[in-house]
Amino acid sequence: ELKVEQNPLFLSMQEGKNYTIYCNYSTTSDRLYWYRQDPGKSLESLFVLLSNGAVKQEGRLMASLDTKARLSTLHITAAVHDLSATYFCAVEEETSGSRLTFGEGTQLTVNP
Amino acid sequence: DGGITQSPKYLFRKEGQNVTLSCEQNLNHDAMYWYRQDPGQGLRLIYYSQIVNDFQKGDIAEGYSVSREKKESFPLTVTSAQKNPTAFYLCATRSRDRGPKLFFGSGTQLSVL
Repeated sequence: ELKVEQNPLFLSMQEGKNYTIYCNYSTTSDRLYWYRQDPGKSLESLFVLLSNGAVKQEGRLMASLDTKARLSTLHITAAVHDLSATYFCAVEEETSGSRLTFGEGTQLTVNP
Repeated sequence: DGGITQSPKYLFRKEGQNVTLSCEQNLNHDAMYWYRQDPGQGLRLIYYSQIVNDFQKGDIAEGYSVSREKKESFPLTVTSAQKNPTAFYLCATRSRDRGPKLFFGSGTQLSVL
């Protein structure tokens, strides 16, 4: 059974600071996804990482994938309040027939 | 606008009652999914369908049923066998041809009266 673990689960940071969220998974995969969820809302796609060494950046967020270590990171640069949300990673197993397994989510609060 | 429509936004279920959550899409996507989200937790897969008239169980299918009679529609029925149905339910779709990304609907909050 595929397990996806995120850490930290809760993150409180000051505006202007940098931090990294980690996503570890337990089986072979080269497809990893990052999503953002605001309270009471649906999920918004942030990044799709499809190969080892993939790096994607959008604004203050940068995601990377290391398939050999079974690890993805979401790096936040110079955080701003608008980034406060819950961030999920999701992993697609190679033999799953298009199923995604989600991590528990990281609840990020950026304080002024 | 185009996309995925989930209805209703809020739904209340009485003891012993079956309720059906609607998911309709006009994106012409092949695959459709139902996820359940409990407070403070990630998403868990209930059922998914990759083509019309075919669907597979996810990780927590017990107490739920689905149908896929049309490409556009993938309704989820929460049966009375599901003893703890209170959760946020999300429908998602995916195109086989236009990339791997999942697109999500706005969700249905189901509560027990």
